[in-house]
Formats: sequence, structure tokens, C-alpha cells
Amino acid sequence: AQSVSQHNHHVILSEAASLELGCNYSYGGTVNLFWYVQYPGQHLQLLLKYFSGDPLVKGIKGFEAEFIKSKFSFNLRKPSVQWSDTAEYFCAVKALYNNNDMRFGAGTRLTVKP
Amino acid sequence: GAVVSQHPSWVICKSGTSVKIECRSLDFQATTMFWYRQFPKQSLMLMATSNEGSKATYEQGVEKDKFLINHASLTLSTLTVTSAHPEDSSFYICSASMLNTGELFFGEGSRLTVL
Repeated sequence: AQSVSQHNHHVILSEAASLELGCNYSYGGTVNLFWYVQYPGQHLQLLLKYFSGDPLVKGIKGFEAEFIKSKFSFNLRKPSVQWSDTAEYFCAVKALYNNNDMRFGAGTRLTVKP
Repeated sequence: GAVVSQHPSWVICKSGTSVKIECRSLDFQATTMFWYRQFPKQSLMLMATSNEGSKATYEQGVEKDKFLINHASLTLSTLTVTSAHPEDSSFYICSASMLNTGELFFGEGSRLTVL
């Protein structure tokens, strides 16, 4: 089965700083890639996804992610974070043709200081 | 967007009892539903994959006799924690894969506390 690594456990930024959260996966086949966000006390919400086509995908709330196939990476970025972006961020990989199961990274907790 | 509903949101039970959690896709059909477990301050751990009308596929280390999964229709999957013990206390989350697109939608989760 595929595995997903998120390198940063906890990231602390000041408002207006730029954000990049790393995500790497191990699976040689075709994948769908996702970033989810979980705000405190709330359930998971989809930020953005990559299925095919343009490897630079834009999601909600100003987030974007770039799929680099050669690096097996799908890093999440935002040019200028806000206090309201404080949340837990999960990268997920769905391995197509492999029971279609979904694996999540360990998550990165983002704290944005006002 | 599509909605996945879990019920109950909170459940407290005594050790040794069984608890059933429902996962429903309210406005779409789901070929596949996934059950996850989330420990405090940790990521989601896939427990099992269930396809409508067939037996669930369990991940390594997940006891299928303890965590019974039934996927009776394209809109409903249930997870039954049998003979629950305090170590089963956790946050259980389901997700449903939309029939035509494969996109996943998550339920709000069910918090189980076993006394």
C-alpha cells in the first residue's frame, strides 16, 4: 500500500507570512492527491485535489499545490496566511487500481500568530 | 457539495457493550465507503474499505470480528464496535466515494467513549 509523509509536524507563522507544507508519497502507480484541512473542533474539509492535467492546482481560500511526479511530491502553498488558517492539514493519496484506498499523512499543525 | 452524515456524533457506553455507527451519503450514491480512526492529535488511520454488497477489506492489525462493517446499500454503511473496551475510545470517521467521480466526502465523525 502507498504511504504518505508530511515532514513538518508543527509550523508556526506570523500573519502575512508565506506557507509551504511538504507532502511526499511512495507509490509507483497512478494516484489522486488531496489536501484536507481540519479546523479545531470541526470535521475534515477538502482544500484541493489533483486528478490529472495541470500539475499546479488551486483550491479554496487561496491555497494551491503543485504535483511533481518525479519527486513524488504534492506540496501545499499559500502566499500570505491569515490567523483563520490555524488548523491541522492532511495530505492524502488515493492509489488508483489498488482497491482505491486512501492514505493520509500524519498531518501538520499550522499555528498563525496574529 | 455532497453531504455525508454520521450518527451518532457522540456516544458513551459501558465496557462490554456494542455500539453501532451509521454513515450515510445523503444526496449521492457511494460505491465505496471508508472507515477511519483518529487518535487525539494524530492522523487518520484507515481501518477498512467497504464496497456495497460485498465484504469489507480490513487493514492489517484491525480485528474484523471486533469492528463489524456492513454496507447494505449505496447510501449506507455501518460500523459496529463489538464488546467495546476503553482502548476502543476514539474518533471514528467515515468517507464515501461518489459513484461517478470517485471524489471522497467525509462525515463529521463519531466520538466513542467507553467507560
